Amino acid sequence: KNQVEQSPQSLIILEGKNCTLQCNYTVSPFSNLRWYKQDTGRGPVSLTIMTFSENTKSNGRYTATLDADTKQSSLHITASQLSDSASYICVVSRSYNTDKLIFGTGTRLQVFP
Amino acid sequence: EPEVTQTPSHQVTQMGQEVILRCVPISNHLYFYWYRQILGQKVEFLVSFYNNEISEKSEIFDDQFSVERPDGSNFTLKIRSTKLEDSAMYFCASRPPWGGLRATNEKLFFGSGTQLSVL
Repeated sequence: KNQVEQSPQSLIILEGKNCTLQCNYTVSPFSNLRWYKQDTGRGPVSLTIMTFSENTKSNGRYTATLDADTKQSSLHITASQLSDSASYICVVSRSYNTDKLIFGTGTRLQVFP
Repeated sequence: EPEVTQTPSHQVTQMGQEVILRCVPISNHLYFYWYRQILGQKVEFLVSFYNNEISEKSEIFDDQFSVERPDGSNFTLKIRSTKLEDSAMYFCASRPPWGGLRATNEKLFFGSGTQLSVL
């Protein structure tokens, strides 16, 4: 079954610290993997998009990695800020004729001062 | 940056009533989507729409649901007879007319959502 699993479910860190969020997927065939940030009560906002041939992609303090062999991805946040408090969702797109995205359950990150 | 706009932000309705959720996609986008998120659960795909017709729909999108692009700017989701389990946050999304979701330079833009509560 096509699924996207994320860990941890929630995470609390202090401002200025780094953290890494994990994503495992069983989606096949695979096209690309996206990380979204979702603030409470808002729609998801795209952070990164990677195909199977890309190992890493950065967007400011956010760096995503992808291992298409093990079907794992991570999102690393450097020097966290209070505004990083949000849910981070791993989303996978399949490669044949479908526009449907498969969402993970997300990791709820809270950054405290 | 341009935004997808959704109205209303909150909608409360009685079970069995019809509701229409409205969305204004980004102006040069041609592909439109509805997703929903039940509280505490994953975002789920409902339907995709292109060239004035549904291009794909999920099992959730049954005969009670319909979508329409009544004019050049609005994109609506109608639920004919709401059920308690339709309570969720409904997100509209859109993307530009080139590439596809499989292209890495392709972003899907989401609106802020409409929180639907069915009583």
